[in-house]
Amino acid sequence: DAGVTQSPTHLIKTRGQHVTLRCSPISGHKSVSWYQQVLGQGPQFIFQYYEKEERGRGNFPDRFSARQFPNYSSELNVNALLLGDSALYLCASSLGSSGGNQPQHFGDGTRLSIL
Amino acid sequence: ILNVEQSPQSLHVQEGDSTSFTCSFPSSNFYALHWYRWETAKSPEALFVMTLNGDEKKKGRISATLNTKEGYSYLYIKGSQPEDSATYLCAFRLDMGRRALTFGSGTRLQVQP
Repeated sequence: DAGVTQSPTHLIKTRGQHVTLRCSPISGHKSVSWYQQVLGQGPQFIFQYYEKEERGRGNFPDRFSARQFPNYSSELNVNALLLGDSALYLCASSLGSSGGNQPQHFGDGTRLSIL
Repeated sequence: ILNVEQSPQSLHVQEGDSTSFTCSFPSSNFYALHWYRWETAKSPEALFVMTLNGDEKKKGRISATLNTKEGYSYLYIKGSQPEDSATYLCAFRLDMGRRALTFGSGTRLQVQP
């Protein structure tokens, strides 16, 4: 069975541009979460979606948005990119909506570099 | 702001050594505590999800314990092998409010053959 897949693997953008990152969850998983990970820190929660509805949002500015599609895949959009948005963006899926008592299954991430 | 602390930040051990590291988290409104292993160039892999005070989980040579009243969890690796080299992350969730995991910064383990 395919795991969580993310695309693209790497991306280079310049300040002010926007970016769309994509994630396909494990088949049967209805919950998708997005995390930002910078070097030396643990992943920081951005969004959780379940059944196409936003179930949680982290402390990120409104430049960050996401959505989930009927097939449970998800997109993370970031507008007006800043140098500080350079990071590894991880997507994780899980079976249910609780977000807490089920393990998260992570993709390999998208490495975003802002020049 | 939730604070999840992991110690030590990094650890170098010899093959065959047993080792342990700590995850500290807020002791109130506990819901769940997760452990993940993150090898270089791979994605984080779930090790354990623990929800009850006194929980003990085991997976091969790796085990974990949970004390929700004092707000800590230990991860133990018995007889470390080079393939255990990875960053070990813990993540905590409250039983109320935002449905989000708060991760610690991880313990980076290097096992020398």
